[in-house]
Parts: sequence; C-alpha cells; structure tokens
Amino acid sequence: NAGVTQTPKFRVLKTGQSMTLLCAQDMNHEYMYWYRQDPGMGLRLIHYSVGEGTTAKGEVPDGYNVSRLKKQNFLLGLESAAPSQTSVYFCASSRQLDGTDTQYFGPGTRLTVL
Amino acid sequence: RKEVEQDPGPFNVPEGATVAFNCTYSNSASQSFFWYRQDCRKEPKLLMSVYSSGNEDGRFTAQLNRASQYISLLIRDSKLSDSATYLCVLVSSYKLIFGSGTRLLVRP
Repeated sequence: NAGVTQTPKFRVLKTGQSMTLLCAQDMNHEYMYWYRQDPGMGLRLIHYSVGEGTTAKGEVPDGYNVSRLKKQNFLLGLESAAPSQTSVYFCASSRQLDGTDTQYFGPGTRLTVL
Repeated sequence: RKEVEQDPGPFNVPEGATVAFNCTYSNSASQSFFWYRQDCRKEPKLLMSVYSSGNEDGRFTAQLNRASQYISLLIRDSKLSDSATYLCVLVSSYKLIFGSGTRLLVRP
C-alpha cells in the first residue's frame, strides 16, 4: 500500500495563477482532509470530505476549492494564488471522522507564491 | 486564546535524559487527545493517544489532566532519534485541532 500520496511535491506560482493539488489514498478511507502548515502555527484545516461527492469547509477555506469525485481522490484548487497562500499543504485520510482513528498524512506539497 | 497551546522550545537535552512537554487546551468539551510526531520537513505521524488514566508505550508516557485542562508527554532515556517536533492534538467538533508543536533536540 502506498498510503496517502500527494502531487506535486513542490511548486512555485506567480500571483494570480491557478493550480490543483492532488491527493490519493489507497486505504479505502471515507474521510479526507486538506491542511496547511505555516511556521510557528499548527496545522489548520482548509476543507474536508466525509465521502465521495461531499465536501465541507474547515477553519481556513477562503481562496480554496475542493472536489471529491472519486472516493480515493481529494483535489485542492487555488483559483487565483496569493502570496499569503505560500505554505506546506498536507492531505490526510481516516476511517473515522471523530478523531478516534488516526489520520494518515501524505508527504506534503511545498507551495511558494511569488 | 488558541484552542491548543504548546511551548515551542526547543528543548535541548543530552542522550539518556528524561524530558517532559505540556500542552494546555481551552475547550473543556474535548474528548479525545493525541500526540503526533513530526520530523523536519515530513508529515505528522501519530505517536500515541492520551487517556484519562494515562498510558505508556515503551519510553513514552502520556497523561491527561481534565481538571487543569492539560496533557503531557514524558520521554525517558532520550535517544538521538527522538529529535523531532511533538504536536499536541485534540478533537473538537469532529475535527482535529493541532498545537504548533514543541521542538526537541537530543544531543550526543
């Protein structure tokens, strides 16, 4: 099992450009999450999904959109990138939503917006 | 006030030392707590869950104090490989809330 994978690993964007981050999991997990991690701050939840075709807003959803067309994939989109979106983005998945089961994280995507 | 607060450190200790981290939380309704470990430029990984009765996993002991709203992590006989950032995590409204982490450096 590959677990949770993310593509790309690194990306540099110019302000106003768009991009999509792809997250894939092969553990048949229902729940998937996108976080961002900034220096000196904990991981913050951007959006999450409780199943195929469903998405919900997390703590910091502005400027991002997501889609879960297939159970194994969770896409994070930036329509018009801003320097404030420079961050490390982690995707995660879990069997349960209530935190009683561990979340498995992907290796992260390092995004720089100039 | 942040929901989860941790001393950022770094805690710089020699091999073999015992070190303890605390983490305070503000939401008294939180039911589940965890410690995650994050190596430099890597993803977080679950270290252990934290139970009211306390739990131990080898050299690691986690405790929960609901009255004072803090959780702790004790590491005995520190190894060089324990150098990492330790994230305090709680569950609030079915979501994980992460602390910003405490950095541990174990020196030879």
